[in-house]
Amino acid sequence: DADVTQTPRNRITKTGKRIMLECSQTKGHDRMYWYRQDPGLGLRLIYYSFDVKDINKGEISDGYSVSRQAQAKFSLSLESAIPNQTALYFCATSDPTGLWTQYFGPGTRLLVL
Amino acid sequence: GQQLNQSPQSMFIQEGEDVSMNCTSSSIFNTWLWYKQDPGEGPVLLIALYKAGELTSNGRLTAQFGITRKDSFLNISASIPSDVGIYFCAGQLQGTSGSRLTFGEGTQLTVNP
Repeated sequence: DADVTQTPRNRITKTGKRIMLECSQTKGHDRMYWYRQDPGLGLRLIYYSFDVKDINKGEISDGYSVSRQAQAKFSLSLESAIPNQTALYFCATSDPTGLWTQYFGPGTRLLVL
Repeated sequence: GQQLNQSPQSMFIQEGEDVSMNCTSSSIFNTWLWYKQDPGEGPVLLIALYKAGELTSNGRLTAQFGITRKDSFLNISASIPSDVGIYFCAGQLQGTSGSRLTFGEGTQLTVNP
């Protein structure tokens, strides 16, 4: 079984809709991250959380919000989706004792019409 | 904004050839990581480098942490078709909080049998 899972894997939505992307991990890591990937831009950090009481903005947090429901769960929400949020979204986890190694989920492909 | 320059953006090679790609920055990094992303999957860690000058191998892959701490390269020897994918460098920028990674834009590798 995968250590980091994301649901859904694919999603099509309309402009203005609220959607939530979910991430779960069984690695027991405290640190979780949400990234977005666009062609030619690599991975950009949206939000990150070092434990359930700690939420931090990344470099592109505008238009997104997150919720850390438990150590194992970290959700990303788009309150009112817009077309330029069409992208591939990745969740990742890391263990502070493992230095900066991050483990990624399989990704969610989002299309906003 | 993006602080890592990764090159080349894409490579088309014949099976059996060696491959080299690199990342450079104007800023100092404390850690360099190299990831590979297969189509439809999340990035998977290949090699982690933690000390300036460090040279590390993982099978046919070799990576080095530059002495200036502003660059890193990844070499793949005797390429095979399953090496196809996108390769990303990533690093922890000096002065940023632990675990936050900056990613390069990726190198798309195509291997012709």
